[in-house]
Amino acid sequence: QKEVEQDPGPLSVPEGAIVSLNCTYSNSAFQYFMWYRQYSRKGPELLMYTYSSGNKEDGRFTAQVDKSSKYISLFIRDSQPSDSATYLCAMSSFNTDKLIFGTGTRLQVFP
Amino acid sequence: DAEITQSPRHKITETGRQVTLACHQTWNHNNMFWYRQDLGHGLRLIHYSYGVQDTNKGEVSDGYSVSRSNTEDLPLTLESAASSQTSVYFCASSESMSDEQYFGPGTRLTVT
Repeated sequence: QKEVEQDPGPLSVPEGAIVSLNCTYSNSAFQYFMWYRQYSRKGPELLMYTYSSGNKEDGRFTAQVDKSSKYISLFIRDSQPSDSATYLCAMSSFNTDKLIFGTGTRLQVFP
Repeated sequence: DAEITQSPRHKITETGRQVTLACHQTWNHNNMFWYRQDLGHGLRLIHYSYGVQDTNKGEVSDGYSVSRSNTEDLPLTLESAASSQTSVYFCASSESMSDEQYFGPGTRLTVT
């Protein structure tokens, strides 16, 4: 079993839809949770960063962490075709020196 | 603006050849990382470095080596390229281990 599980998709939604992307993990020591966005043939770039549990909102994006369920989510409101990309979750713990990535979910938003 | 660059962007090589992929960052970050990205596996850590003269093995280090002689560069060497090393390689850097990692644009390597 992988430390971080993420549905690879693809997920196809119409423009304006609310998108929910999720990851589950097994290591209860994880405290730092990130979402990266990767456009085709580009490097990943950080979208959201959350420490411990709770919600964080940035514009149309909301990151949610539920440590009791070992489950994190990224919500995209009013999705746009420019949101079409692969979204990777990543996480680490206080005493580790590495980020553990999910496999990524490919999202396509069609006009 | 600070950035992280990789070269070459595309490389085709033959089995058994030695290949070196370059990574250069101007963030002045101490921490640098090399990943490979494959379908179904996501990003997997090959090697990483906390600073000059420091290198550490990651999850999939067999067949790869790195050296860190200055802050800006972390070249990745494939000692004897194998077809299983056909992949997209990403270099990244960060200020500290819990901080955001900044990724380069990637190198697409094909081993024939």
